[in-house]
Amino acid sequence: KAGVTQTPRYLIKTRGQQVTLSCSPISGHRSVSWYQQTPGQGLQFLFEYFSETQRNKGNFPGRFSGRQFSNSRSEMNVSTLELGDSALYLCASSLDGLTGELFFGEGSRLTVL
Amino acid sequence: DQQVKQNSPSLSVQEGRISILNCDYTNSMFDYFLWYKKYPAEGPTFLISISSIKDKNEDGRFTVFLNKSAKHLSLHIVPSQPGDSAVYFCAAKSGTYKYIFGTGTRLKVLA
Repeated sequence: KAGVTQTPRYLIKTRGQQVTLSCSPISGHRSVSWYQQTPGQGLQFLFEYFSETQRNKGNFPGRFSGRQFSNSRSEMNVSTLELGDSALYLCASSLDGLTGELFFGEGSRLTVL
Repeated sequence: DQQVKQNSPSLSVQEGRISILNCDYTNSMFDYFLWYKKYPAEGPTFLISISSIKDKNEDGRFTVFLNKSAKHLSLHIVPSQPGDSAVYFCAAKSGTYKYIFGTGTRLKVLA
């Protein structure tokens, strides 16, 4: 059973640009959530999607957005990048987002110059 | 507002001894707690979980204890092995499709 796949693994952008990250969940998992990991801040919740609907959102500015497709694959977008957006972005999937554990991908490491 | 706190950023333990990682939370509505381990350049991997209706759960070398009155969670690893060296995150959920993570504790097991 394939795990959670995130692409790209590494990317470098400059301030003001935008970026799109992709996540393919484990087959059969319908809930996809996104987290930002920075040193000293742990994993900060961005948003969670289920059946193409955003069910919950963390405390991030509107520059951070996401969507989920009918096949449960998800993308997140960050517009007008700032230096502070440099982080590891992690995608996690679960069956329904209500029970059991989250399964994480390896993350997309974003560096903003 | 950090609802899940791991107050020890790092911990060093001798191989074979017990490692105890601690986690405190503030939201009494949390009903499910989890521990994850993370190696560098990898995503977090699930270790063990516990429902709020229990106070202990064991899985091999790993045991999680939940003290609801103190709003405290701990992970015991016995015996500790060098391969356990990683960052450990505790997480909590309150049924709102959002898992809240602590800031992590870096465990180093010394051979």
